[in-house]
Amino acid sequence: QKEVEQNSGPLSVPEGAIASLNCTYSDRGSQSFFWYRQYSGKSPELIMFIYSNGDKEDGRFTAQLNKASQYVSLLIRDSQPSDSATYLCAAFSGGYQKVTFGTGTKLQVIP
Amino acid sequence: EAGVVQSPRYKIIEKKQPVAFWCNPISGHNTLYWYRQNLGQGPELLIRYENEEAVDDSQLPKDRFSAERLKGVDSTLKIQPAELGDSAVYLCASSPGERNIQYFGAGTRLSVL
Repeated sequence: QKEVEQNSGPLSVPEGAIASLNCTYSDRGSQSFFWYRQYSGKSPELIMFIYSNGDKEDGRFTAQLNKASQYVSLLIRDSQPSDSATYLCAAFSGGYQKVTFGTGTKLQVIP
Repeated sequence: EAGVVQSPRYKIIEKKQPVAFWCNPISGHNTLYWYRQNLGQGPELLIRYENEEAVDDSQLPKDRFSAERLKGVDSTLKIQPAELGDSAVYLCASSPGERNIQYFGAGTRLSVL
């Protein structure tokens, strides 16, 4: 079983809409969670990190964490074509001292 | 502040040849990671260093892969001999340690023919 799971997509949303990206994780010992954006042919770029239950907002991005459900999400408001990329979810396990990445969700924002 | 620097950006070799990748982390970052990323997949950890010590190399194929981080700064990842299945992007990342936030270099795209 994959430790961090994401729907590979593609997720298509119209420009200006809210994009909702979801991620589940299996290790209940996971402490910190990250969202990276990766453009095609480029390296991952950190967008958000979250470690407490609830919401964390940064500009157009909101990360949501629900540890009871082992669920992390990323909302992108007012989606722009430049947001089109693959979004990687990652979880840090304190027990294993290791960050595990999901396979990523490809987001397409349609102008 | 300079980011994580990797070289080369691209490398094409024939199978059974050796290859090496170099990484210079962000200044002050004690933790350094090497990942391998295959097309359509997330990065997979190969090795993690805390300063000059390899603290997690459980996923490193030790029969052909080796790594070193002399003086706890720069690091080199080597493959000898390379196989067709080693074709991938090799990413280096560094972290200051806080919350294990990692910053990635541009990566080295390896093609083994």
